[in-house]
Amino acid sequence: ETGVTQTPRHLVMGMTNKKSLKCEQHLGHNAMYWYKQSAKKPLELMFVYNFKEQTENNSVPSRFSPECPNSSHLFLHLHTLQPEDSALYLCASSQERGLALDTQYFGPGTRLTVL
Amino acid sequence: SQQGEEDPQALSIQEGENATMNCSYKTSINNLQWYRQNSGRGLVHLILIRSNEREKHSGRLRVTLDTSKKSSSLLITASRAADTASYFCATGKSQGGSEKLVFGKGTKLTVNP
Repeated sequence: ETGVTQTPRHLVMGMTNKKSLKCEQHLGHNAMYWYKQSAKKPLELMFVYNFKEQTENNSVPSRFSPECPNSSHLFLHLHTLQPEDSALYLCASSQERGLALDTQYFGPGTRLTVL
Repeated sequence: SQQGEEDPQALSIQEGENATMNCSYKTSINNLQWYRQNSGRGLVHLILIRSNEREKHSGRLRVTLDTSKKSSSLLITASRAADTASYFCATGKSQGGSEKLVFGKGTKLTVNP
């Protein structure tokens, strides 16, 4: 266990549904990340939060909406997704984003299927 | 693009053999990290090597970094079936307040018992 948990582990949703992914870290870290992992593509950074403030949005479509209520929790709200959004969504945390670009600790991921 | 690229894309070896995976990148970096991912799971950090370091060891893992060639290698000695996983390099760069860790596509390693 890396100290980062994600729920749900699997999610199937229709294109008109609204759902949320949840990530929680128990490591006392200050930075949290959302990544998308699609088959045969490199891991794509989506969002970065540092001390609860969003510091990076990698041109992610607005149908993905992140929320970081505190340093331990990160959400990804999903609405009107497309089938090509089906992927493994990974959450990660690190001590602090900056300086040495330190080690990231990943959750197990949510396998999302959009029908 | 600073993206790391692993080579080979797939590697199949017998238990007990050594496995070598390579990573090449294009721009200067602050550090380079190697991660491992079991099928459908999250990534697990293996080792971080800074740009001023040339070699690092951790158990059966040995990582080298050649900044002049912009390349790194990960060697797993005396491989085990449990080493079967995908291995990713990630290059970290800090520039003008923007900092990113960029992952490659990975090498899929299969260790046959």
